[in-house]
Amino acid sequence: SYVLTQPPSVSVAPGKTARITCGGNNIGSKSVHWYQQKPGQAPVLVIYYDSDRPSGIPERFSGSNSGNTATLTISRVEAGDEADYYCQVWDSSSDQRVFGTGTKVTVL
Amino acid sequence: QVQLVQSGAEVKKPGASVKVSCKASGYTFTSYGISWVRQAPGQGLEWMGWISAYNGNTNYAQKLQGRVTMTTDTSTSTAYMELRSLRSDDTAVYYCARLYGVTTGPFDYWGQGTLVTVSS
Repeated sequence: SYVLTQPPSVSVAPGKTARITCGGNNIGSKSVHWYQQKPGQAPVLVIYYDSDRPSGIPERFSGSNSGNTATLTISRVEAGDEADYYCQVWDSSSDQRVFGTGTKVTVL
Repeated sequence: QVQLVQSGAEVKKPGASVKVSCKASGYTFTSYGISWVRQAPGQGLEWMGWISAYNGNTNYAQKLQGRVTMTTDTSTSTAYMELRSLRSDDTAVYYCARLYGVTTGPFDYWGQGTLVTVSS
C-alpha cells in the first residue's frame, strides 16, 4: 500500500516560515491535499490539488508538489497556526485514499 | 451552508456492532460522495472507505473489508457507517467527510465526529 511520511514535529518562531514535508513514491504525479486539525476539533482543508486554497484560508498557507515530496508552507506563522497537519492523496493503483502520518506544528 | 451533523457518542462491548449516522444539509446530497475517517486516541487519521450518494457504490479500506458497511438514505440526506465485530482498537473518533469533485478530490467538509468506545 502507498505510504506517506511526514516529520512528527516542526517548531517555528512567530513570524517565521514553517515547512512541512510529505514524502511518497513519485508523489509529484498525484494530487495532494492538506488538512489542519486543532485539539478536539475536526480536520479543516487548508490546501487542495497541491497548491489551491479554499476560501477563508489565509494566503500565508501555500503548497507545492514535485518528485517524491510535497510541501505545505506556512509563512509569517501565528500562534493560531499551532495544530496537527496531515497530507492526503488518492492512490490509483489500490483505489484507496491515504493520509500522511501527521506533523505537529509548535509555535515557540 | 454545508453541514454534516453526526450522531452521538456510543459505548459498545467487544464483538458488538455500531452504526453512526451523518446528516447532510446545505447542498444536493446525491451530487457528492461521503467518506468515513477515524482517529484513535492520540493517533493520526485513517481512511475507512467511501460511498457514492448518487448510486450507492462503495470502496472500503482493505484493512476493514468484511467488517464495515456504508449506506445512504437519499430521502433524508443521511449517510451511515456500520462497523461489526468491534474490538478495543476500534475505539476512536469517527468522522464523515464530503468528497469534493472527482476521485482525486479532497474532503472539503467534515462532520463534528462521533466517539465510539469499545470496552468490556
